[in-house]
Amino acid sequence: QKEVEQDPGPLSVPEGAIVSLNCTYSNSAFQYFMWYRQYSRKGPELLMYTYSSGNKEDGRFTAQVDKSSKYISLFIRDSQPSDSATYLCAMSQNSGGSNYKLTFGKGTLLTVNP
Amino acid sequence: SQTIHQWPATLVQPVGSPLSLECTVEGTSNPNLYWYRQAAGRGLQLLFYSVGIGQISSEVPQNLSASRPQDRQFILSSKKLLLSDSGFYLCAWSDGQSEKLFFGSGTQLSVL
Repeated sequence: QKEVEQDPGPLSVPEGAIVSLNCTYSNSAFQYFMWYRQYSRKGPELLMYTYSSGNKEDGRFTAQVDKSSKYISLFIRDSQPSDSATYLCAMSQNSGGSNYKLTFGKGTLLTVNP
Repeated sequence: SQTIHQWPATLVQPVGSPLSLECTVEGTSNPNLYWYRQAAGRGLQLLFYSVGIGQISSEVPQNLSASRPQDRQFILSSKKLLLSDSGFYLCAWSDGQSEKLFFGSGTQLSVL
């Protein structure tokens, strides 16, 4: 079983739709969860950061973490063509010291059609 | 504010040629620095990380090496490139206090 599983898509939705992106993981020690957005030929950009279980909202974006199910989600409301990108989930456990390593999903390619 | 610079954006190199990719971070001191490679369909692969000058840890044995000659400078090198070294290379930094990782704009390397 892979440590982090993410459906690669592609996912195509009309403008204004609600988008749901998901990742599952197997390592119960993961405590920190992130979502990155990556436009084509660009570096990933940190979008959302959450610690442990719960929800976090930032504008049109909501991140959810369910540690009991080892499942994280990113919801995008009122999706826009500018949201078209690859979305990567990432997570880590506190490995101690000053070094932190992230485990990434392979990314989901999202296209929002005008 | 902190910024990360990575260059060049695109590079085409023949097999067997050397490689040097440079990354610098501004606006912070003593960052943790990382080199990742992203291949199509394979996700992000951590290659090297550094917690201080001259301190390099390798995650994957390969044809590449990394160096950190200055606090905010990280260099990825190879003496002889292989076809399999092609990919999108990303430099990243973190402040060592949280798990948040910040990426550069990447270098698309094609080895022909």
